[in-house]
Amino acid sequence: GENVEQHPSTLSVQEGDSAVIKCTYSDSASNYFPWYKQELGKRPQLIIDIRSNVGEKKDQRIAVTLNKTAKHFSLHITETQPEDSAVYFCAASRNNNDMRFGAGTRLTVKP
Amino acid sequence: ETGVTQSPTHLIKTRGQQVTLRCSSQSGHNTVSWYQQALGQGPQFIFQYYREEENGRGNFPPRFSGLQFPNYSSELNVNALELDDSALYLCASSLKAMGKGSEKLFFGSGTQLSVL
Repeated sequence: GENVEQHPSTLSVQEGDSAVIKCTYSDSASNYFPWYKQELGKRPQLIIDIRSNVGEKKDQRIAVTLNKTAKHFSLHITETQPEDSAVYFCAASRNNNDMRFGAGTRLTVKP
Repeated sequence: ETGVTQSPTHLIKTRGQQVTLRCSSQSGHNTVSWYQQALGQGPQFIFQYYREEENGRGNFPPRFSGLQFPNYSSELNVNALELDDSALYLCASSLKAMGKGSEKLFFGSGTQLSVL
């Protein structure tokens, strides 16, 4: 089955700086790669996703890149704000039937 | 449009007991996935239900079972509870189109299960 690895496990940045979180996946047939943000005590919420036919996608301060050959994808957050502080999870699936998550990255944005 | 709701929010059981967790999917969604999230870990896929049948299963033993009802709501049942079953159980709903995979997952707030 799919195996997703996520790095780093913790990340601390200064407000206004950029943050990058990286994930690798094992199943070359995976074609859907979402990112979720989970604040303490709350449900995971989808923040951005990308499909395997696209190399990059951007939504305001958030962008995701995908390298299918290397089987890795990354989340980029620019101009970070304290409210970006949360745990971020990457995930990978084949047609979303069996979505596997990374272990998470705890992002802290210092004011 | 109603979101994904789960009940109960918290539950305390003792080892060996059985538990049933419930999930109502988001309006318009026909697929429900269940995940186990241990403290400090990512969600682990348990199984997915589509059209009232199991449609994929993760690495969980048979004592984890489920149901999906005609209204697309779902139950997760866990028999012979073990201490390691203590975790947040998340339900996520999505819309699976005919011949295609499901679209985006939307999560409920989860049920926090403690096994003593």
